[in-house]
Amino acid sequence: EAQVTQNPRYLITVTGKKLTVTCSQNMNHEYMSWYRQDPGLGLRQIYYSMNVEVTDKGDVPEGYKVSRKEKRNFPLILESPSPNQTSLYFCASSLSWGVADTQYFGPGTRLTVL
Amino acid sequence: GESVGLHLPTLSVQEGDNSIINCAYSNSASDYFIWYKQESGKGPQFIIDIRSNMDKRQGQRVTVLLNKTVKHLSLQIAATQPGDSAVYFCAETDFGNEKLTFGTGTRLTIIP
Repeated sequence: EAQVTQNPRYLITVTGKKLTVTCSQNMNHEYMSWYRQDPGLGLRQIYYSMNVEVTDKGDVPEGYKVSRKEKRNFPLILESPSPNQTSLYFCASSLSWGVADTQYFGPGTRLTVL
Repeated sequence: GESVGLHLPTLSVQEGDNSIINCAYSNSASDYFIWYKQESGKGPQFIIDIRSNMDKRQGQRVTVLLNKTVKHLSLQIAATQPGDSAVYFCAETDFGNEKLTFGTGTRLTIIP
């Protein structure tokens, strides 16, 4: 089944404790992206990747890192999480960018930083 | 700054009736628009898209209308069903920009 998977689905952590949220897609997509979703603000893009080893900042990249060493994986790293990073996070992928390729979203990761 | 917004945060519709969800956008350079559906506990799911060279596009039970003059986008869902209950987002981009800008969403509730 074609899908985007994220792990963990739920995470409660404390300020300053490094964490990684994994994202994996099995559709051989080139474009991958991370979003956060907050009430009243809609989805905001954190980082995106056009292909392996090619990443770029989205609208709200502060406090986050990403890597794209393999085509299928695009982990989101929070080196020192803070309470304002409490949010619902979505990973998405699409075949490419520059054409109207459908973005497929993962199920989401709900992160709480205490 | 540029923004994509929705007129109504919530909408309740009787099962079987048609629903219309509206979206206003402010970036006149946007040339591609998408509607997403997000069910509770799930990620957004693509519904339908439209390019700026079109005014209307139809899918299965859904129609998207684009009015570039007033920068307005709408999603019409015909003969609504309980499974249509969800939050609906519009999103916009232009093909020179490698990212989407999302609206805040409208919660559609179908009343049995």
